[in-house]
Amino acid sequence: QQPVQSPQAVILREGEDAVINCSSSKALYSVHWYRQKHGEAPVFLMILLKGGEQKGHEKISASFNEKKQQSSLYLTASQLSYSGTYFCGTLGGGGGADGLTFGKGTHLIIQP
Amino acid sequence: NAGVMQNPRHLVRRRGQEARLRCSPVKGHSHVYWYRQLPEEGLKFMVYLQKENIIDESGMPKERFSAEFPKEGPSILRIQQVVRGDSAAYFCASSPLSGAYNEQFFGPGTRLTVL
Repeated sequence: QQPVQSPQAVILREGEDAVINCSSSKALYSVHWYRQKHGEAPVFLMILLKGGEQKGHEKISASFNEKKQQSSLYLTASQLSYSGTYFCGTLGGGGGADGLTFGKGTHLIIQP
Repeated sequence: NAGVMQNPRHLVRRRGQEARLRCSPVKGHSHVYWYRQLPEEGLKFMVYLQKENIIDESGMPKERFSAEFPKEGPSILRIQQVVRGDSAAYFCASSPLSGAYNEQFFGPGTRLTVL
């Protein structure tokens, strides 16, 4: 079953923060986060493998709450380059053995 | 260091024709995944292959669609007798190990348009 992402879209000014949520009705074994710019391939951001795990990459970090079956992506002091569509991909949500089930995406627009 | 290559990047077919989409994974990667993306939708898993084997095709339509990953050469996604509903972007991803717990490297996609 497809994970649900919220919000569907966010418009920010450069330097503002954003939180993107990803939740599933099924147990999650891993959560993958990708960013895709229009017309381009999705680009890997990070994977969270354990419940309670948190990871960070520059000003982008994420958490994984296994009990609540959800993950959140945090973008701090957003930059123009952060614009794009963010997808969470989950394993155990109905995808193939290793294939991910992705949410519909969250569109992030950063304005100068 | 070449990433995942897909060709063609754009493909136009008329209804009833065949479409062949090619994917060359990152050198040394033996796990290949195909995803389909409709406008304003997330990526939908279609099939997972390892060299010469289909591991999981649970996301692939039972008719008209097939995939292979031969010992030599690229992975091929084949769509026979295309219909307008097949119009979408098809992405291939590869991984050196199980993509469940490792990064999947995506190619630039093939945009299929069925007239």
